[in-house]
Amino acid sequence: AQSVAQPEDQVNVAEGNPLTVKCTYSVSGNPYLFWYVQYPNRGLQFLLKYITGDNLVKGSYGFEAEFNKSQTSFHLKKPSALVSDSALYFCAVRDSNAGNNRKLIWGLGTSLAVNP
Amino acid sequence: DSGVTQTPKHLITATGQRVTLRCSPRSGDLSVYWYQQSLDQGLQFLIQYYNGEERAKGNILERFSAQQFPDLHSELNLSSLELGDSALYFCASSPRQGAYDEQYFGPGTRLTVT
Repeated sequence: AQSVAQPEDQVNVAEGNPLTVKCTYSVSGNPYLFWYVQYPNRGLQFLLKYITGDNLVKGSYGFEAEFNKSQTSFHLKKPSALVSDSALYFCAVRDSNAGNNRKLIWGLGTSLAVNP
Repeated sequence: DSGVTQTPKHLITATGQRVTLRCSPRSGDLSVYWYQQSLDQGLQFLIQYYNGEERAKGNILERFSAQQFPDLHSELNLSSLELGDSALYFCASSPRQGAYDEQYFGPGTRLTVT
């Protein structure tokens, strides 16, 4: 079955420290992977995506993600966390089943708390 | 501001009732997606429309239906409401129908069923 896992419900990091939010996936074929962020009482915002090419993808607000095919992972990273990065982060992967390839499969989200 | 608008922002209604949620996509976007977000179920994809036609279906209950109109706005109809339908409902849009396009989310409609 195709799936996305975000193994950590919550990540805590001190301001200025590097942060990582983990995502692993299971799909057949080439994965199309996405990260979105949701700030309190807001809709989701697109951060970055991997479709093909360079394994390191750069996105909005200084975030980047590394695609690792052998580990089936797509971890979100930022070199120096800000308090304003505190939010809910979602990983998603395209469903590659025939007939369903237009929809995304979503992780359950990881709550990031950046402490001053 | 994503450019996607949703109305109303909040809706409080009673069990057994029917409500309609409305979404206007970003200018030029042809695809509209509906999602339900609740604390216990997370973010659930409900349905996608592209240029007026249904394109993909997710975990949408039979009591729920949607459509996309010629002006590309979309409506999600929820009927015979139950307490468990209380959730945030998001609409998103994208330029095309492929799931490799990023989606732009509206601010959501918070539905409370009492």
